[in-house]
Amino acid sequence: SQKIEQNSEALNIQEGKTATLTCNYTNYSPAYLQWYRQDPGRGPVFLLLIRENEKEKRKERLKVTFDTTLKQSLFHITASQPADSATYLCALTGGGNKLTFGTGTQLKVEL
Amino acid sequence: DTGVSQDPRHKITKRGQNVTFRCDPISEHNRLYWYRQTLGQGPEFLTYFQNEAQLEKSRLLSDRFSAERPKGSFSTLEIQRTEQGDSAMYLCASSFGVNTGELFFGEGSRLTVL
Repeated sequence: SQKIEQNSEALNIQEGKTATLTCNYTNYSPAYLQWYRQDPGRGPVFLLLIRENEKEKRKERLKVTFDTTLKQSLFHITASQPADSATYLCALTGGGNKLTFGTGTQLKVEL
Repeated sequence: DTGVSQDPRHKITKRGQNVTFRCDPISEHNRLYWYRQTLGQGPEFLTYFQNEAQLEKSRLLSDRFSAERPKGSFSTLEIQRTEQGDSAMYLCASSFGVNTGELFFGEGSRLTVL
């Protein structure tokens, strides 16, 4: 069956460090993969999209990698700040028009 | 640009009652999605419209759930005979184009069934 797995345990890091979140998937052949940020009680907000032929994509302090051989995406936040504390969701299409989300990983950046 | 708006933001109802949620997408967006999210889980796909046509429905969507998008503008999601298991955040999202790209989400409608 198709699965998208993100670390369900919260990730706690110190301000200024790099946070790395993992998204693994099975039985998908996605054309692209997306990352969203979600704050408590709010809707998800789009951050980055990476296509299958792209190895890496950057936006300001964010970097996403996409390894279709390992079936894995890594999401990095450099120079993390307390304001980066949120839940981060990865999402991909498995054919058709629906975007399927992982369970998300909660990031806490401490002073 | 007012973004995607959803109404009501919160709804408390008794088991067995019907509830309806409304979503107003970004005006030029032709695609509209409904998702459901429970605590600690990611959003779960319910259904998808392209303009006024409902093109895909989740197999998890029971026949108590119905969604419409008349004239390809706003959309409604109705839940009939609500059950406690329907308690969740109902999220609407819209996007533009022919491929499933970036989704713009509303703030959600939180349903509590007593």
